[in-house]
Order: sequence, then structure tokens, then C-alpha cells
Amino acid sequence: QVHLVQSGVEVKKPGSSVRVSCTASGNTFSAYAFSWVRQSPAGGLEWIGGIIPVFGTPNYAQKFRDRVTISVDESTSKVYMEFRGLKSEDTAVYYCVRDGDSGGYYRLDFWGQGTVVTVSS
Amino acid sequence: EVVLTQSPGTLSLSPGEGVTLFCRASQRVPSNYFAWLQQKPGQVPRLLIYGASTRATGVGDRFSGSGSETEFTLTIRRLEPEDSAVYYCQQYGTYPLTFGGGTRVEIK
Repeated sequence: QVHLVQSGVEVKKPGSSVRVSCTASGNTFSAYAFSWVRQSPAGGLEWIGGIIPVFGTPNYAQKFRDRVTISVDESTSKVYMEFRGLKSEDTAVYYCVRDGDSGGYYRLDFWGQGTVVTVSS
Repeated sequence: EVVLTQSPGTLSLSPGEGVTLFCRASQRVPSNYFAWLQQKPGQVPRLLIYGASTRATGVGDRFSGSGSETEFTLTIRRLEPEDSAVYYCQQYGTYPLTFGGGTRVEIK
């Protein structure tokens, strides 16, 4: 059984940074693709980027490349997303998602509970 | 990036009816790396279909996906009240992964 547990609610000022963590339990950590997906208050879903720990190099959507860093700590089975230069339009629920078959693609099988990030002055 | 356009935007249907949702991609989706997600009110999205036509674990056979290249469909047979949700199409064959805008299905 795969469980993804994310860190808690964040309230941030514009221009600041946030780091969201995701702790994965279940079977082998390193072979699976982890994504970060956000959902705006209007409901739209956006893929921010992802990482396959065994390969190490993250992939980012161009839109977020300059402001986001995705990393992992294999010793603790944690995936992190750091988001810099926050703007009000970054207010969203941020999800950690893992694929189901370690096939090297970012399939979105298992979802964390979501982390609400609110950016407000 | 691959733009996914879903139709219709909203549907209101009765229990027992069937429905087909549509998703068109702006360019070919490689090797059918195409999925459908379901999001019920207040819940986390859930993977329904991957590989265009393979049901995810625990998904009932009332749900079926088909299509290829740029045209994909999700069919739900014998609608039940718990099928009320927003359904998103999504592709994972090309970076960045992208999502459609969603089809809201309301069961009267």
C-alpha cells in the first residue's frame, strides 16, 4: 500500500519561499516517478515538475523552471518542492503524486493529501 | 506543450444513463500515454484510466477509455450518484505533463 503524506498548511508573503515535503511509504522509493501538481482555487490542474530518484535529475515545466527546485532524500523517502518568489497567483493546493509501475513515466497513480499554500500580504 | 480540450464542459444526467466525455489533444500523444482522472467534491484527484484504455486498480468496469493520437473518450455506463465529479483528461507522454480543463458531471 502506497501512502504519500505531505507537510501542512503554509501561509506566505509575496516574494517569499516555501518548501513542501512529501514522505512516501510502501514499496521501493527510488525507482518511481514523483510529480508535483498544483490545483488553483478555480480548479485547474498544473504539472510543476517531477523527479525519478534513481536518475536524480528533475524535470520541470518551463513555466516554473526558474522558481522551483525539486529534490529527494532517499534515506528518509522524502520528496521536496521549494517554490521561490511566491506571488498571489501561486495560491493553490500542491499535491505530491507517484507513479504506479516504475516505468520511467510520470503517471499519476497515487496522490498525497495536498498542501494548501496561501500567498497573501 | 500539448493542449488538451475537453467537451462538454458540464453535463447533468440521471442515474442509469450512460455518457461519453471527449478530449482532443493539440498534437499526437505518444504511445497512448493518456489518462483520465476523477475528482469528487472535496477530494483528491483519482486516476481512473491510463494508457488510454487500462482501468486503474479498483476502478469498476462501468468506466472505459478509448482513443488514440489526438482523440480520446471516457465512457461511463449506468451512472450512479457517486459518479458526480469533475473528470480531467491528462497526457504524460510529453513534457510538460498537461491536463484538460475538466468536464463536470452532475447526477440529478
